[in-house]
Amino acid sequence: GAGVSQSPSNKVTEKGKDVELRCDPISGHTALYWYRQRLGQGLEFLIYFQGNSAPDKSGLPSDRFSAERTGESVSTLTIQRTQQEDSAVYLCASSTDRSHYGYTFGSGTRLTVV
Amino acid sequence: QQPVQSPQAVILREGEDAVINCSSSKALYSVHWYRQKHGEAPVFLMILLKGGEQKGHEKISASFNEKKQQSSLYLTASQLSYSGTYFCGTEESISGGSNYKLTFGKGTLLTVNP
Repeated sequence: GAGVSQSPSNKVTEKGKDVELRCDPISGHTALYWYRQRLGQGLEFLIYFQGNSAPDKSGLPSDRFSAERTGESVSTLTIQRTQQEDSAVYLCASSTDRSHYGYTFGSGTRLTVV
Repeated sequence: QQPVQSPQAVILREGEDAVINCSSSKALYSVHWYRQKHGEAPVFLMILLKGGEQKGHEKISASFNEKKQQSSLYLTASQLSYSGTYFCGTEESISGGSNYKLTFGKGTLLTVNP
C-alpha cells in the first residue's frame, strides 16, 4: 500500500483481556518496528523485525507482550492480560533495509484499558 | 539509552529562528529528525549519517557532530506550519555498523505564533 496501515485505530478493552494490534507495512519495506507512546511522552521502542532475521525484542516491557511478523508483510502485536499502564498509542513503522530514507509511521492504535 | 533533547519547549513568533539540540552518551551511526503534529504520526524530516554532514529540508537544516555525539536542528524564519513536537532518533554504532533501531528523545514542543 501507499502507507503504513494500522488497525484498529482505537481500542477500548477491559483490564485483564487480551488485545491484538495489526500493522501492514509499506510493500517492499523489509524492516518493521513497534513503538509505544504514552500521553505527552516520547516514543518507546518495543520490537524490531528485519527480513528473516531473529527479531530484536529487547524493548518489550514484559512477557505479556509479544509480536509476530509473517515474512516481510503483516505484523501483529499481542498484549495479554492488559493492565491500565498499557494504555498508550502503539505506533508501527517500516523502512527499507538501511533506513536511510527514514521510518514511515502508521497513524497508530490508541489503546485504552479500563 | 535515550538521547537528551533540549529545550523541552520553545515558543516563537512567525519568522523567528530556533535551535533544537540532541545529545547521546553512546557512539552514533546516524541521527534522524521527525516532527509530530498533535494527534498525528511522526513524519520523517531528515537523516544524518556519521561524517559530520549537514543537511537541509526547506528552511530546516541539521548538523551532526559525531565526536561529540550531538546533533542540532535549525529552524529559520519559522512558519506556523512548523509547530509540533520534534523528536531526534539515534541509531547506535556497534562494531563499525549500527544496531538498526532508533532510540528517541522525549521531544521538543515547538509553538509558532502569528
